[in-house]
Amino acid sequence: EPEVTQTPSHQVTQMGQEVILRCVPISNHLYFYWYRQILGQKVEFLVSFYNNEISEKSEIFDDQFSVERPDGSNFTLKIRSTKLEDSAMYFCASSATTSSYEQYFGPGTRLTVT
Amino acid sequence: SQQGEEDPQALSIQEGENATMNCSYKTSINNLQWYRQNSGRGLVHLILIRSNEREKHSGRLRVTLDTSKKSSSLLITASRAADTASYFCATTPAGGFQKLVFGTGTRLLVSP
Repeated sequence: EPEVTQTPSHQVTQMGQEVILRCVPISNHLYFYWYRQILGQKVEFLVSFYNNEISEKSEIFDDQFSVERPDGSNFTLKIRSTKLEDSAMYFCASSATTSSYEQYFGPGTRLTVT
Repeated sequence: SQQGEEDPQALSIQEGENATMNCSYKTSINNLQWYRQNSGRGLVHLILIRSNEREKHSGRLRVTLDTSKKSSSLLITASRAADTASYFCATTPAGGFQKLVFGTGTRLLVSP
């Protein structure tokens, strides 16, 4: 069964460093998302991406964040200058079409900023 | 309260018993979904119910939706120890593109 994959599973970085989290969505899906979950809190939407552009973003997704689909398979989230409060689990998700709202999530990348 | 609040926050039952979790939300929605999350792992899609549906079944899962009360319930029948996980409702707001707004979750513990 097709699945969303994410790398790395765990990333440790120092405050102020740039990180890139990588995702490979399900191959025939057209819509891509990033969510985050701070430990013990609810899952929060960050950004959605369709047709090579951001379709919606949350207040969390400020200028420090960017997303890219550099090729036909990868979808990346970049945090330019990490802060301690960026420590969280980051989930990538994808969905097939607008008529199909099921989103399929990857296993997540745990980001620890020290 | 925020969009997507589940109750109870935690539920502890014995294998074979039924587990019922509730979710309330505040805005109009296109659909509501339930996800399961095992500790420290990703989210697994369980079931989706559209705003014009009232009840849906999938295996041991039964979901109801009451849009007049802005609430949903998830029933897991004949629970198993493997059902131990956190369960989240997630709504797609009406007019929203496709983002999911997650609730706070219910931690379910099923003891053998």
